[in-house]
Amino acid sequence: DIVMTQSPESLAVSLGERATINCKSSQSVLYSSNNKNYLAWYQQKAGQPPKLLISWASTRESGVPDRFSGSGSGTDFTLTISSLQADDVAVYYCQQYDSLPTFGQGTRLEIK
Amino acid sequence: VQLEESGGGLVKPGGSLRLSCGASGFTFSDYYMAWIRQAPGTGLEWVSYISGSGTYTNYADSVMGRFTISRDNAKNSVSLEVNNLRVEDTAVYYCARVPIQGPGVYYFDSWGQGTLVTVSS
Repeated sequence: DIVMTQSPESLAVSLGERATINCKSSQSVLYSSNNKNYLAWYQQKAGQPPKLLISWASTRESGVPDRFSGSGSGTDFTLTISSLQADDVAVYYCQQYDSLPTFGQGTRLEIK
Repeated sequence: VQLEESGGGLVKPGGSLRLSCGASGFTFSDYYMAWIRQAPGTGLEWVSYISGSGTYTNYADSVMGRFTISRDNAKNSVSLEVNNLRVEDTAVYYCARVPIQGPGVYYFDSWGQGTLVTVSS
């Protein structure tokens, strides 16, 4: 299984500031035949199911605010929230789908 | 897209349950469907998926041989039969849709609210 490791485990950021969450996979999730990274990001607010934010490492889902962006390739990925809003308080998960799906352990994002 | 799970509850170790998920708002038979679980206060674990036709299934090692996924395209529903339950199977079980119509790409674009399975003596 591909192991996904997120850092930090928790993060406190001031409103309007940038938040950065990292995700590292134990092996590359870049599929060479199509040059796509098989990596998704989810947001889970308290008491709710996860919500898909980003697929293919950097493709934002319809309706997701453009302050959310994904980057990275191979084994190292980043979710960036450019200007934190109160509504962004949540736990964020990365997930690889290059092989049987596995998730990172989650990063809890709070307001400082 | 709407997904609604049912069938969770309290069960003793070794017991069984049948979880169900009703779907609406899309052509159900075109999509792979999956179950993902989340133990209390912890992260997400993919459990199983099934192809649109029901022909292809796969399971996490932790549930292989104990859980069985199936679907009824006429009723727009997917089920998870969970047998020989263990305390460590206690979790919220989510039904989710795989957005890519075909094998090999398993991320999840729509999720239900989940159903809680508690395994305790």
